[in-house]
Amino acid sequence: GQNIDQPTEMTATEGAIVQINCTYQTSGFNGLFWYQQHAGEAPTFLSYNVLDGLEEKGRFSSFLSRSKGYSYLLLKELQMKDSASYLCAVRGTGNQFYFGTGTSLTVIP
Amino acid sequence: DSGVTQTPKHLITATGQRVTLRCSPRSGDLSVYWYQQSLDQGLQFLIQYYNGEERAKGNILERFSAQQFPDLHSELNLSSLELGDSALYFCASSPANSPLHFGNGTRLTVT
Repeated sequence: GQNIDQPTEMTATEGAIVQINCTYQTSGFNGLFWYQQHAGEAPTFLSYNVLDGLEEKGRFSSFLSRSKGYSYLLLKELQMKDSASYLCAVRGTGNQFYFGTGTSLTVIP
Repeated sequence: DSGVTQTPKHLITATGQRVTLRCSPRSGDLSVYWYQQSLDQGLQFLIQYYNGEERAKGNILERFSAQQFPDLHSELNLSSLELGDSALYFCASSPANSPLHFGNGTRLTVT
């Protein structure tokens, strides 16, 4: 079975840094992906890790530890438009993608 | 624009009815995935096709079926609809070893 856990909700202040954690237990692993989803819209790809370590893309960074089954997404210099749901997904064997329930982030002034 | 096209955008129908959702993947992508997202729920994997063949099944009900055609577009058929089937249905496509790219979804309302 697949089990992917994320916090349900988080709140952070505009201009600050926020870290969204994700832990996973899956029967196979071929990469961990982060998506952003605004309410009623399609998820959009942010970042992915297949090897341990940190991947940086502008204001967004993602970290992976395969031995711990753990990842986080780091958002810097938060903006109001970053208020959204952030989805952690694991790609298993056979190129299947399994998603966590998402973390709803609210950015406050 | 992700390049994945889904039609229709909205669908309102009654319980017991049958509907078909359509998806055209990005040019060159052979894999198509279908996901269901109910209100305040995560993305539930339904089914995956690769180059016309079923590759994997997730939590797809027996009332639901899908297929991928030779031109690689896919259709998701939902029958004997129930109120609980009301959800956003997303299609996504991907080349091998790459992220998923999602269509804008079909919002299904069953009344």
